[in-house]
Amino acid sequence: NAGVTQTPKFRILKIGQSMTLQCTQDMNHNYMYWYRQDPGMGLKLIYYSVGAGITDKGEVPNGYNVSRSTTEDFPLRLELAAPSQTSVYFCASKFPPTAYNSPLHFGNGTRLTVT
Amino acid sequence: GQQLNQSPQSMFIQEGEDVSMNCTSSSIFNTWLWYKQEPGEGPVLLIALYKAGELTSNGRLTAQFGITRKDSFLNISASIPSDVGIYFCAGLNSGGSNYKLTFGKGTLLTVNP
Repeated sequence: NAGVTQTPKFRILKIGQSMTLQCTQDMNHNYMYWYRQDPGMGLKLIYYSVGAGITDKGEVPNGYNVSRSTTEDFPLRLELAAPSQTSVYFCASKFPPTAYNSPLHFGNGTRLTVT
Repeated sequence: GQQLNQSPQSMFIQEGEDVSMNCTSSSIFNTWLWYKQEPGEGPVLLIALYKAGELTSNGRLTAQFGITRKDSFLNISASIPSDVGIYFCAGLNSGGSNYKLTFGKGTLLTVNP
């Protein structure tokens, strides 16, 4: 298994440009998440999905959109990039909650700079 | 929303020393998790704690789920250079179909050989 794969690894955008951060997992996980990580701030949840066709907002959803048309893929869309969206973005996935939960698997991140 | 206070923010230690870091919350969590993140990579789960009072070890790592369910600590014994990284605590209240982790801000660990 490749696990959680994120592309691209790095990207520089100009203000107002749009882009899609790709995330795919091959573990048949139902639950998928997008986090952003800013220095000294931990990880903040942007959006999450509990299955294909179902998405919900996290803690910091403004400026982002997601879709979940398949179990494997959970792309994150930035429509009008702003400097405040400069961050490292992590995608993660897991199986649904059980009595002893399976761990959250993270991708290696996408480093985005908006100038 | 829920917040976790993780301390210390950073630590500089000599190889061989023991390390302790902790997280506290104003809210109760059902599960506490500890992750490690190395440069250029995503966080990796180290230890998961599911019951109040639980003490769990993973090699040189030991973590405890506080009795009040509002805190957890992680100890690393006999540190080595590869322990370098950012350590995150995370709390979970799973209910229904939800599974949203709340992360602490991280502890940056530097180990001098």
